[in-house]
Amino acid sequence: NTKITQSPRYLILGRANKSLECEQHLGHNAMYWYKQSAEKPPELMFLYNLKQLIRNETVPSRFIPECPDSSKLLLHISAVDPEDSAVYFCASSQGPQGGSGNTLYFGEGSRLIVV
Amino acid sequence: GEQVEQLPSILRVQEGSSASINCSYEDSASNYFPWYKQEPGENPKLIIDIRSNMERKQIQELIVLLDKKAKRFSLHITDTQPGDSAMYFCAASAGGNNKLTFGQGTVLSVIP
Repeated sequence: NTKITQSPRYLILGRANKSLECEQHLGHNAMYWYKQSAEKPPELMFLYNLKQLIRNETVPSRFIPECPDSSKLLLHISAVDPEDSAVYFCASSQGPQGGSGNTLYFGEGSRLIVV
Repeated sequence: GEQVEQLPSILRVQEGSSASINCSYEDSASNYFPWYKQEPGENPKLIIDIRSNMERKQIQELIVLLDKKAKRFSLHITDTQPGDSAMYFCAASAGGNNKLTFGQGTVLSVIP
């Protein structure tokens, strides 16, 4: 799926600050950040709908999302911790998940390695 | 919130045989049940889904069954091929909570 692009694809950090970027070209209204650790299912971090944050799961305060427009999503990470090593997927759907059956499409992921 | 249990966690089958993965959910309001396939180093990709107004859906070799009374749904892959080897996730979504809850995943290995 090249219609949801993420950058960078790989990131090695040693307690520095960095931002992940995502852009979707599907015309979707809802955008998400998911965290996936090895051999685990994706875990929802944040959900935006029409640029509004409507779902904010229990996530450390060092993760700050930003939605500058309806097709872009950022995830600012400060002072990363080794437990943050994971793949961070951006995703989008026509509308927010909630029984309406809006198909969720995942981006390629950004692999974060904390050293 | 919704809880989704997925079994088995590991499944090994011979090429050409069938593979079945079972999921159960708790929230009777859940009405959308997608299945995702994830290959190593790749993103999860939707392979088939079913809504609560259906009991069975088939796309080529993929069959999903939904039993709303028992709150269970399942994926059946007929005539498995080595390319079916991957991690599979079931998920459930209920109206109003804006969240897709995933099962813990099944690693399927198809042995040639």
